[in-house]
Amino acid sequence: AQSVSQHNHHVILSEAASLELGCNYSYGGTVNLFWYVQYPGQHLQLLLKYFSGDPLVKGIKGFEAEFIKSKFSFNLRKPSVQWSDTAEYFCAVKGNNRLAFGKGNQVVVIP
Amino acid sequence: KAGVTQTPRYLIKTRGQQVTLSCSPISGHRSVSWYQQTPGQGLQFLFEYFSETQRNKGNFPGRFSGRQFSNSRSEMNVSTLELGDSALYLCASHRDGGNNSPLHFGNGTRLTVT
Repeated sequence: AQSVSQHNHHVILSEAASLELGCNYSYGGTVNLFWYVQYPGQHLQLLLKYFSGDPLVKGIKGFEAEFIKSKFSFNLRKPSVQWSDTAEYFCAVKGNNRLAFGKGNQVVVIP
Repeated sequence: KAGVTQTPRYLIKTRGQQVTLSCSPISGHRSVSWYQQTPGQGLQFLFEYFSETQRNKGNFPGRFSGRQFSNSRSEMNVSTLELGDSALYLCASHRDGGNNSPLHFGNGTRLTVT
C-alpha cells in the first residue's frame, strides 16, 4: 500500500512570502497525485491534481505543484501567499484505487 | 448541484455505545469513501463502497463497519465506542472511484466519545 510523507507540519509565514510544502510518497505503480486544502471551518477541497502529462500542474488560487517521478515527490508551491491561504494542506496519492493522505501541513499566514 | 451531505454534524457518545453516521453523495456519484481525521494521524482511510459493495478497506478493527444503499447513500457504524474513536469522520464521493476521479468531501461528523 502507498504511504505519503509531508514535512514541516506547522508553517508560519508573512503575507507575500513564498510557500513550498514538501510531499513524498512510496508506491511502485502508477499513481495519481492530489493536493487538498481545508480552510478553517470548511470541508476539504481539491487544490490541484496530476494524472499525466506536464509534471508542472497549476491549481486554483495561484498554487502549483511539480511531480518529480525520480524523487517520488509532488511539492506544492505558491510564490506569494495571502492571509486567506491560512489553512491545512494535505497531499494525497491514489494508486490501485486506494487514496492515501499525508498528515497535513498547518499553514498560518500573518498579515 | 448539492455537495456531499453528512449527518449529524456533531455527536457525543459514551464509551461502549454504538453510533451510526450517514452520508449522501453528490447526485450521480456511485462511490463513497470514509475517512477518520485526527490531529495526530491526519486522514486515515476506513473503507470505500461502490455500487453497494465494499471495494477497499483500511486497517481499522471490525468495530468499524459500513454499508451502501441502492441510491448510493452510505452509513458507517462504530460499535463498542472507545475514547480513541473521537475524531472527525469524513465522507467523500466520486463518480466512479477510478484513479482519475478526485474526491468531493462533506463537512464531516464530529464524534466525541466520553
